[in-house]
Amino acid sequence: ETGVTQTPRHLVMGMTNKKSLKCEQHLGHNAMYWYKQSAKKPLELMFVYNFKEQTENNSVPSRFSPECPNSSHLFLHLHTLQPEDSALYLCASSQDAVNKAKNIQYFGAGTRLSVL
Amino acid sequence: QKEVEQDPGPLSVPEGAIVSLNCTYSNSAFQYFMWYRQYSRKGPELLMYTYSSGNKEDGRFTAQVDKSSKYISLFIRDSQPSDSATYLCAMKGGSARQLTFGSGTQLTVLP
Repeated sequence: ETGVTQTPRHLVMGMTNKKSLKCEQHLGHNAMYWYKQSAKKPLELMFVYNFKEQTENNSVPSRFSPECPNSSHLFLHLHTLQPEDSALYLCASSQDAVNKAKNIQYFGAGTRLSVL
Repeated sequence: QKEVEQDPGPLSVPEGAIVSLNCTYSNSAFQYFMWYRQYSRKGPELLMYTYSSGNKEDGRFTAQVDKSSKYISLFIRDSQPSDSATYLCAMKGGSARQLTFGSGTQLTVLP
């Protein structure tokens, strides 16, 4: 089991629902990330938080809203999603987000999201 | 042109075979190269990490980086059914502070 825990593991939601994904890391890291993984496509970085501050937002639609209350917890709030948002959403953490040296990202198992 | 190109496979090999997985990239500033392994229904886990050019060996796994050709490889010797997974290359460097991933190669090792 990794030090990064994501809940729920699976989520089915309608286009008008509001739901949240949760990520918790037990590694003492200062950076946390949200990625979207779709079949046959590279991981798409969505958001980066470093010491609780958002440092990157890769042109993610506003229907995805991240929240990082502390260095150990990260949320992704979802509302008015589209069917094309169905994917595996992965959370990761690392020591920090700007050090170019060895800065290994540790991933959670992901939340499999289906939007109907 | 994608920044990182990786053949998605699928790739099937018999147990005991030598497996070669590859990625090419276009950004000459990349300096940090990683291979992640992702089992079904799991998140990616770091397998190998290499800085700049050269080889790195860890048990049955060898990572190679050829910066002049912008080409990286992962070799798996004496492959086992437990090696069946999707292998993702990732890299960063220069102005790219965050990792850029390949699309992953799905590998199946047949017993």
